[in-house]
Amino acid sequence: TQLLEQSPQFLSIQEGENLTVYCNSSSVFSSLQWYRQEPGEGPVLLVTVVTGGEVKKLKRLTFQFGDARKDSSLHITAAQPGDTGLYLCAGAKAGKSTFGDGTTLTVKP
Amino acid sequence: KAGVTQTPRYLIKTRGQQVTLSCSPISGHRSVSWYQQTPGQGLQFLFEYFSETQRNKGNFPGRFSGRQFSNSRSEMNVSTLELGDSALYLCASSLAGTPIEQFFGPGTRLTVL
Repeated sequence: TQLLEQSPQFLSIQEGENLTVYCNSSSVFSSLQWYRQEPGEGPVLLVTVVTGGEVKKLKRLTFQFGDARKDSSLHITAAQPGDTGLYLCAGAKAGKSTFGDGTTLTVKP
Repeated sequence: KAGVTQTPRYLIKTRGQQVTLSCSPISGHRSVSWYQQTPGQGLQFLFEYFSETQRNKGNFPGRFSGRQFSNSRSEMNVSTLELGDSALYLCASSLAGTPIEQFFGPGTRLTVL
């Protein structure tokens, strides 16, 4: 059973465009993390959101945690080729983390 | 501060063999988790160790085992390798007692022929 569903699975855009990726679940999480993974490397932690409705900004990236703590979104403004990678969300519950399947983002120059 | 290191980075084995992968966590981190990543299944949780004790375990067969040493370094072992075990094996460490914010190593790419 997949607890976390990410959409879209693949996204290919031009440099300068905006985009949003989603992470949805029927479960309530105590916190949620977003990671970015480049080919041949391990995921790198971007942010943790804890409070329902919380919004965090990291330069051009905006993360939001749903009010009910079941879903989250990642919005990237003016995407750059360096944003290319696999974006993973992970929900934390009872001391365990469950990962979504990820969104593969390609930003073309 | 040095990050999580994993050795070896690449490994080629044949069916039926066994393999041991090693992970050194960030200094001061006591929780180490292992994941298997494949294109079809994504990131699947194998197990988590904290203070030398296995605290959580995923849904993998008993051929997959692990341990943690007193210095928090961890190893995982896969016996009787199958073709389907080909994957990127990732180790992640975390500071707190619950492995929520995890710091990943670069992974070991295992190919089973």
